[in-house]
Amino acid sequence: AQTVTQSQPEMSVQEAETVTLSCTYDTSESDYYLFWYKQPPSRQMILVIRQEAYKQQNATENRFSVNFQKAAKSFSLKISDSQLGDAAMYFCAYRRFYGGATNKLIFGTGTLLAVQP
Amino acid sequence: KAGVTQTPRYLIKTRGQQVTLSCSPISGHRSVSWYQQTPGQGLQFLFEYFSETQRNKGNFPGRFSGRQFSNSRSEMNVSTLELGDSALYLCASSSGTVGSNQPQHFGDGTRLSIL
Repeated sequence: AQTVTQSQPEMSVQEAETVTLSCTYDTSESDYYLFWYKQPPSRQMILVIRQEAYKQQNATENRFSVNFQKAAKSFSLKISDSQLGDAAMYFCAYRRFYGGATNKLIFGTGTLLAVQP
Repeated sequence: KAGVTQTPRYLIKTRGQQVTLSCSPISGHRSVSWYQQTPGQGLQFLFEYFSETQRNKGNFPGRFSGRQFSNSRSEMNVSTLELGDSALYLCASSSGTVGSNQPQHFGDGTRLSIL
């Protein structure tokens, strides 16, 4: 069974600074998807960035980028030029690529990010 | 384009009652998934539907059930409510079939409180 671990329950960053959120996962599969979702107090889960395991290039979306280390099973999220609106709970998630059609996401426990003005 | 709509936003029930939650996916989306979010267990997959058929089910008791209608709207039902069912219930929809590479879009959730 696949598992996702986020070892940082809480993080804090100053506005305009850079922060990195950690995520590790365990799987025996070679192809899969990895995601970072953001959940602000409004509760809606928002997709921040997505990585396909078969792609070696790290995904980037504006101020958000990932450091995907497949051999180490590590998938960290870097937020550059942090803004007050980035304050939220961040979840790392895994989804199977093969082995039966499913959209099922396996989530980590989340990291609560505070942004200090 | 309207997002995923979940109703009601808040719900208070007592133990032993049953409840039905509704999810309207983004227009054109045919895959719907449900998740339970609690402080203790985090986010857990309940079930997913495509074309009115349940495709996968998480590790939840039979008190948790769901269905999908021909217009892709989905409902989930919880019978004989227990205190531990208090949670935020999230619905997500995606275009394409189950297992496609399309991203999932989440609703704002229904906050269920059991007294």
